[in-house]
Amino acid sequence: NAGVTQTPKFRILKIGQSMTLQCTQDMNHNYMYWYRQDPGMGLKLIYYSVGAGITDKGEVPNGYNVSRSTTEDFPLRLELAAPSQTSVYFCASSYSRGLGGSSYNEQFFGPGTRLTVL
Amino acid sequence: DQQVKQNSPSLSVQEGRISILNCDYTNSMFDYFLWYKKYPAEGPTFLISISSIKDKNEDGRFTVFLNKSAKHLSLHIVPSQPGDSAVYFCAASATGSQGNLIFGKGTKLSVKP
Repeated sequence: NAGVTQTPKFRILKIGQSMTLQCTQDMNHNYMYWYRQDPGMGLKLIYYSVGAGITDKGEVPNGYNVSRSTTEDFPLRLELAAPSQTSVYFCASSYSRGLGGSSYNEQFFGPGTRLTVL
Repeated sequence: DQQVKQNSPSLSVQEGRISILNCDYTNSMFDYFLWYKKYPAEGPTFLISISSIKDKNEDGRFTVFLNKSAKHLSLHIVPSQPGDSAVYFCAASATGSQGNLIFGKGTKLSVKP
């Protein structure tokens, strides 16, 4: 298993440009997540999905969009890039059996995408 | 307001000694706690976890202790090895939160040979 893969590894955007960060997992996990990590800070949840066709906002969703058309893929879209979106983005996945999401939920992370907006 | 706090940004320990990383939380609804380890330019990797019904969980050199009354948990690494040098994140979740994790800011551990 490759686990969670993310592309690209690095990207530089100009203000106002758009891009999609790709995330794929091959573990048949139902839950997927997008986090961002700013320097010296913990990871903050942007969006998450509990299954194909279902997405919901996390703590910092503004400026981002997601879709989940398949179990494996969970792309993150930036429509109008801003310098405040300069960060490292991590995708994660997990398997949860419980209704409402079990707390016992180890998440597996991808290697991250380092994004700079100038 | 931070719900998960790691008040020590860094910790330096001699090889072979014990490393103790601390984490405090404020949300009494948290019932599952995890520690993740992160090397530079890599994603976090799961290390060890504990549910709120336990006060200790051990896995090899790693032990996590939970003190619910103090809303405090700690990660002990014994003996510490240079390969343990990394940033350690404490994370917590609550039942019904769709497994969403709230992370602390991390503690950078340096283990000196």
